Amino acid sequence: QVQLQESGPGLVRPSETLSLTCSVSGDSISSYFWNWIRQSPGKGLEWIGCIYNRGNTNYNPSLKSRVSISVDTSKNQFSLNLRSVTAADTAIYFCARETLGLDSWGRGTLVAVSS
Amino acid sequence: EIVMTQSPATLSVSPGERATLSCRSSQSITTNLAWYQQKPGQPPRLLIYTASTRATGFPARFSGSGSGTEFTLTITSLQSEDFVVYYCQQYDKWPYTFGQGTKLEI
Repeated sequence: QVQLQESGPGLVRPSETLSLTCSVSGDSISSYFWNWIRQSPGKGLEWIGCIYNRGNTNYNPSLKSRVSISVDTSKNQFSLNLRSVTAADTAIYFCARETLGLDSWGRGTLVAVSS
Repeated sequence: EIVMTQSPATLSVSPGERATLSCRSSQSITTNLAWYQQKPGQPPRLLIYTASTRATGFPARFSGSGSGTEFTLTITSLQSEDFVVYYCQQYDKWPYTFGQGTKLEI
């Protein structure tokens, strides 16, 4: 059974870069699509982007200028970088596997943007 | 981007009754639609995919229907654990988008 676990700082200063990692166990990250989603009270669930085929990416246009997703197949992990954060980026960040729909999710990690 | 609209935002029903949740997309997504159930403090959990296929672990009282732009999630014989939030999501075109959610309340 696949398991996903997000990790990273819970507090990021405004204008800095939010960096999170999703560790995957029970499945190879070389298969399927691997997504980042966030959830905030003001905007509900927002799809951030995905990585697939060992490095192809697709991003939400609303974040595209600030976001990058990368993969480390040797560690079976994928990562999210979100640059120039503001308070509006405060949210719970989830990683998820996609087969048909997002069928496996991490528990999520709360990231607050504050000085 | 494709806009997903769920209605109602809150649905008041009683245990044992039937709940019908709606989701509409701003353009046709054929059957590339998923429903998720989210309990407090937990991530969303895939409930339905391809509009009508029930995910592993959910009982038959959960069913999905629809295609094109109109979709429905039906829950019969509501149990206490069903009174949480449900989201629809299209995965027909990037960027994937979610509805704003329907909260089932007693």
